[in-house]
Amino acid sequence: DAGVTQSPTHLIKTRGQHVTLRCSPISGHKSVSWYQQVLGQGPQFIFQYYEKEERGRGNFPDRFSARQFPNYSSELNVNALLLGDSALYLCASSMEDRVDSPLHFGNGTRLTVT
Amino acid sequence: GNSVTQMEGPVTLSEEAFLTINCTYTATGYPSLFWYVQYPGEGLQLLLKATKADDKGSNKGFEATYRKETTSFHLEKGSVQVSDSAVYFCALSVREYGNKLVFGAGTILRVKS
Repeated sequence: DAGVTQSPTHLIKTRGQHVTLRCSPISGHKSVSWYQQVLGQGPQFIFQYYEKEERGRGNFPDRFSARQFPNYSSELNVNALLLGDSALYLCASSMEDRVDSPLHFGNGTRLTVT
Repeated sequence: GNSVTQMEGPVTLSEEAFLTINCTYTATGYPSLFWYVQYPGEGLQLLLKATKADDKGSNKGFEATYRKETTSFHLEKGSVQVSDSAVYFCALSVREYGNKLVFGAGTILRVKS
């Protein structure tokens, strides 16, 4: 079975531009979460979607938005990019939105903002 | 709030040495605790977990015990291998927030042959 897949794997953008990152969860998983991992730090929670509804939002500005589609795939959008948005963006899926439902992470999208 | 503090790295060990990576936490609720591992060029993988006090999680020779009295979840392995070289993250989730994770900063482990 395929794991969590993310695209693209690498991306270079200029300040002020917009970016869309994509994630396909493991088949049968209904929950998708997004995390930002800045170099040298642990991942930070951005969003969670379950059954196409937002279940949580981390401490990120409104420039960050996301959505989940009927097939449970997800997009993360970031507007008006800043240099500080350069990071590894991780997508994770799980079967349910419960503490005993483990997260499965993709390999991430490396975003560089110049 | 909820937070996780890990010992700073990098930790450099020789093969077959004993490993301890310290992790302490603060939580507003009753957390579940996790260790994730990130091998070079790969995504985060769940290594082990514990969901209640005094539980011991174990996998691949690694162990960690949920200590509520000391709010700790230290990772241990009796004999490390070169293949264990990776970044290790301690994390927690609190029941009322589903499975959203709060991660520590990570500890780099380097094992020399």
